[in-house]
Amino acid sequence: NAGVTQTPKFQVLKTGQSMTLQCAQDMNHNSMYWYRQDPGMGLRLIYYSASEGTTDKGEVPNGYNVSRLNKREFSLRLESAAPSQTSVYFCASSIGQAQETQYFGPGTRLLVL
Amino acid sequence: GENVEQHPSTLSVQEGDSAVIKCTYSDSASNYFPWYKQELGKRPQLIIDIRSNVGEKKDQRIAVTLNKTAKHFSLHITETQPEDSAVYFCAAFRPGFQKLVFGTGTRLLVSP
Repeated sequence: NAGVTQTPKFQVLKTGQSMTLQCAQDMNHNSMYWYRQDPGMGLRLIYYSASEGTTDKGEVPNGYNVSRLNKREFSLRLESAAPSQTSVYFCASSIGQAQETQYFGPGTRLLVL
Repeated sequence: GENVEQHPSTLSVQEGDSAVIKCTYSDSASNYFPWYKQELGKRPQLIIDIRSNVGEKKDQRIAVTLNKTAKHFSLHITETQPEDSAVYFCAAFRPGFQKLVFGTGTRLLVSP
């Protein structure tokens, strides 16, 4: 089992460019999450998908969109990147509700110039 | 919404000492409290968790305590080792909102 995988590992964008961060899990988990991590601010939830076919906003959804493509895959899209979106992005998954253990992917480091 | 405060932000100890990290939460309905360890450049990984029907849980050198009345929970690491150096995050889960809220993290440095 690979667990939770993310691509790319690192990306540099110019302001206004768009990109999609990919996440996949092979643990047959129902719930998936996207977080961003900034220095001194911990992990902040961007969007989550409690089950296939549903998505909900988290703490900091502005500037992002998500797609739960199927049970395995959950992508995060930046339509028009801004320097404030420079961060490390983590995808996570859990068996059911957030009460269960969340398993994190290795992260994507994004730099927006 | 739920708010989780974590203290201290940094903690330096000598190898062999104990380390304690404290978190407080705002919503009395929260019922699940995990702790994650994140080594430099790595992903967060669960190290221990506690549910609201339990007051204390231990796993070798780490333990977590929960005081529901005061709405705080703590991570205790005994006999610290250099490999315990990392950032530790607490989190709280509030039923009905289906998501974890994380504290801002504690950077623990264990010196040999």
